[in-house]
Amino acid sequence: AQKITQTQPGMFVQEKEAVTLDCTYDTSDQSYGLFWYKQPSSGEMIFLIYQGSYDEQNATEGRYSLNFQKARKSANLVISASQLGDSAMYFCARPLSSYGKLTFGQGTILTVHP
Amino acid sequence: KAGVTQTPRYLIKTRGQQVTLSCSPISGHRSVSWYQQTPGQGLQFLFEYFSETQRNKGNFPGRFSGRQFSNSRSEMNVSTLELGDSALYLCASSFSGGSQETQYFGPGTRLLVL
Repeated sequence: AQKITQTQPGMFVQEKEAVTLDCTYDTSDQSYGLFWYKQPSSGEMIFLIYQGSYDEQNATEGRYSLNFQKARKSANLVISASQLGDSAMYFCARPLSSYGKLTFGQGTILTVHP
Repeated sequence: KAGVTQTPRYLIKTRGQQVTLSCSPISGHRSVSWYQQTPGQGLQFLFEYFSETQRNKGNFPGRFSGRQFSNSRSEMNVSTLELGDSALYLCASSFSGGSQETQYFGPGTRLLVL
């Protein structure tokens, strides 16, 4: 079964600094992309960014960007200029071949200090 | 466009009871997926519905069931509740459930079983 690994249970960053959250996957199927979601304490999962498997350039979305290294099976999320509102749990997720099913990593709790 | 809505937001039940949770997808989305989130197991896929048909199912006992209506709204039911069913239940919608489509999540239903 596909496994998604986020090795950092918690990360701390100073406001306005950049932070990188790690994510690796172990499936041999390279045809699927990868999603990142943010979950504030309220519980709602907020979509941040998606990297398609065949995209030649790393995805960017405002302050979010992905460092996608297909050969290493990693897709790390970079948040630039951190804000206090970025404090939340962050999940990476990858679809399987089956419809509508995402496999999630364990999550990383990010705390932004003023 | 209105986002995914879930009702109720909070629920307290006792062991042995049953519960029904509701999810209304984004207008035009026909795929609805359900996930259970617990501190111990993380996010786990329950099932996915498309055009009133269950296309995919996770590894949960038969006490967990669902259905989808012709307007794409979905319900999930848990019968004979157990303490371990206490969790945040999230539903997500996408246009057709394809692996490259973003799933948009609702705010979740927090279920507490006493």
